[in-house]
Amino acid sequence: EDQVTQSPEALRLQEGESSSLNCSYTVSGLRGLFWYRQDPGKGPEFLFTLYSAGEEKEKERLKATLTKKESFLHITAPKPEDSATYLCAVHSGNTPLVFGKGTRLSVIA
Amino acid sequence: DTAVSQTPKYLVTQMGNDKSIKCEQNLGHDTMYWYKQDSKKFLKIMFSYNNKELIINETVPNRFSPKSPDKAHLNLHINSLELGDSAVYFCASSPSGGLFSTDTQYFGPGTRLTVL
Repeated sequence: EDQVTQSPEALRLQEGESSSLNCSYTVSGLRGLFWYRQDPGKGPEFLFTLYSAGEEKEKERLKATLTKKESFLHITAPKPEDSATYLCAVHSGNTPLVFGKGTRLSVIA
Repeated sequence: DTAVSQTPKYLVTQMGNDKSIKCEQNLGHDTMYWYKQDSKKFLKIMFSYNNKELIINETVPNRFSPKSPDKAHLNLHINSLELGDSAVYFCASSPSGGLFSTDTQYFGPGTRLTVL
């Protein structure tokens, strides 16, 4: 059974304090790993898709990386507007998309 | 323009009632989905609908039924509502594929259902 574990559950950062969120996964043949951002009261907003170990993608202050067992979402010099829940999801191709519980990020000015 | 929209945003109802949630996408996508996000914030797939092919997650009670009048719409009908049905329901769409497609999924804003 595909599993996704995200850590930490919650993270509080000062503005400008860089950090990383972790997504560990267990799947039988990864076809894609997805990162989403979810603001309170809204639907998940797509950020990145990673397909193979060693792949990296960047968008503004966010950078996602992938290994054979986990993915990291690195946040460089975060701002208060980066506060949200970040969701990781995996696809093995023969099961539906499986989401983790998310990491709730708070960035304090 | 909103890409994936849902109505209503909030729905409060009594146990035993029947209710529907509507979803529309203007992205021209072929596949639509319904997800349930419970109080623990887990997002779980309920259905996928692609080109008139419905794939049901086996854990979904048969009180839940998706209805698609056309490719741009996928409504969720729920019969005999129970307390445990209280959750946020999200509609999503992707360009192609189906339940097992690796296409990126784009989500609507959600409908918060409260069953009293």
